[in-house]
Amino acid sequence: AQKVTQAQTEISVVEKEDVTLDCVYETRDTTYYLFWYKQPPSGELVFLIRRNSFDEQNEISGRYSWNFQKSTSSFNFTITASQVVDSAVYFCALNLGKAAGNKLTFGGGTRVLVKP
Amino acid sequence: EAQVTQNPRYLITVTGKKLTVTCSQNMNHEYMSWYRQDPGLGLRQIYYSMNVEVTDKGDVPEGYKVSRKEKRNFPLILESPSPNQTSLYFCASSSRWRNEKLFFGSGTQLSVL
Repeated sequence: AQKVTQAQTEISVVEKEDVTLDCVYETRDTTYYLFWYKQPPSGELVFLIRRNSFDEQNEISGRYSWNFQKSTSSFNFTITASQVVDSAVYFCALNLGKAAGNKLTFGGGTRVLVKP
Repeated sequence: EAQVTQNPRYLITVTGKKLTVTCSQNMNHEYMSWYRQDPGLGLRQIYYSMNVEVTDKGDVPEGYKVSRKEKRNFPLILESPSPNQTSLYFCASSSRWRNEKLFFGSGTQLSVL
């Protein structure tokens, strides 16, 4: 069975600090997809990134970057120079595709609070 | 605009009073699913559907029903709601060809008193 663990339940930083969110996943499948979603106070889920298991390249998008390491089953997310608007709950999720009913298995989420 | 629409956005009800949360998508997606979100637990899948008239249980199906009579709609039915079903609910859909990319609705906050 698959599992996603986000060990940090809440992180508080001051604006302009960097913050890294940890995500560790478990699966025996060789083909899978990893996701990060942002949930701002308004409640909707905002898609941030999708990675498939064959693509271990790190990715940078503006102030966001992701570090995917299959050797440690981790998919960590870093916000550089955080801003107040980054305050949200962030979810890491794992999808095994059609064979598993296209189910997303979510971690428990990490609440990020960025103080001015 | 491609979207998944859930209604209502907020719902307060009492124990035992049947309710339905609607979900509709305009992207002709085959896959649809329902999740509930609870603090510390992330989102957990309730039911999913891989096509019209095909539904299956997710991780937490107890107390819920679904139907998929049309491709675009996937309502979530609580026939006898209980307080432990107080939660934030999300509907999601995806294409069979890009089934790893889910589109989520805006969520329905349900309170059962």
